[in-house]
Amino acid sequence: EAQVTQNPRYLITVTGKKLTVTCSQNMNHEYMSWYRQDPGLGLRQIYYSMNVEVTDKGDVPEGYKVSRKEKRNFPLILESPSPNQTSLYFCASRGAATNEKLFFGSGTQLSVL
Amino acid sequence: GEDVEQSLFLSVREGDSSVINCTYTDSSSTYLYWYKQEPGAGLQLLTYIFSNMDMKQDQRLTVLLNKKDKHLSLRIADTQTGDSAIYFCASDSGGYQKVTFGTGTKLQVIP
Repeated sequence: EAQVTQNPRYLITVTGKKLTVTCSQNMNHEYMSWYRQDPGLGLRQIYYSMNVEVTDKGDVPEGYKVSRKEKRNFPLILESPSPNQTSLYFCASRGAATNEKLFFGSGTQLSVL
Repeated sequence: GEDVEQSLFLSVREGDSSVINCTYTDSSSTYLYWYKQEPGAGLQLLTYIFSNMDMKQDQRLTVLLNKKDKHLSLRIADTQTGDSAIYFCASDSGGYQKVTFGTGTKLQVIP
């Protein structure tokens, strides 16, 4: 089954404790992206990647890192989480062709205390 | 940068039609999407329209696109309580271009 898998589904942590949210897709998609969803703000793009070893900042990259060492994986890293990073995070992927649709993971609800 | 705008809230009675509106700024948009997010769930692609189309109908859903005004709407006929969700409009230029989302419209269906 074609899917984007995020883990964990829920995460509660404390300020300053490094964490990683994993994202994996099994569709051989070139493009992967991370979004955060906050009430009244919709989905805002954090980082995206056009292919292996190619990443770029989205609209709200501060406080986040990503890596794309393999095509299928695109982890989101918070080196020193802060309470303003409490949010619902979504990973998404799609192929490079013009008519490819965006597939989403089921989301990760992060709370930073 | 690109911008997609939606109203935040819509309330309708069960059985009535719902119309959710969206405006976007990216003139190179190839696809325009409607995603549905039910409480506690991820985003589900509901429907989409290619930019060279004016209308697309899929069962109870009708999507209208006015490319000149950069206005997109989603009409849900015979709205049911199961349609209560947040609906996101998104603009997509295809390929490696960014998909820009609106703020989402929370649809409340009153029994």
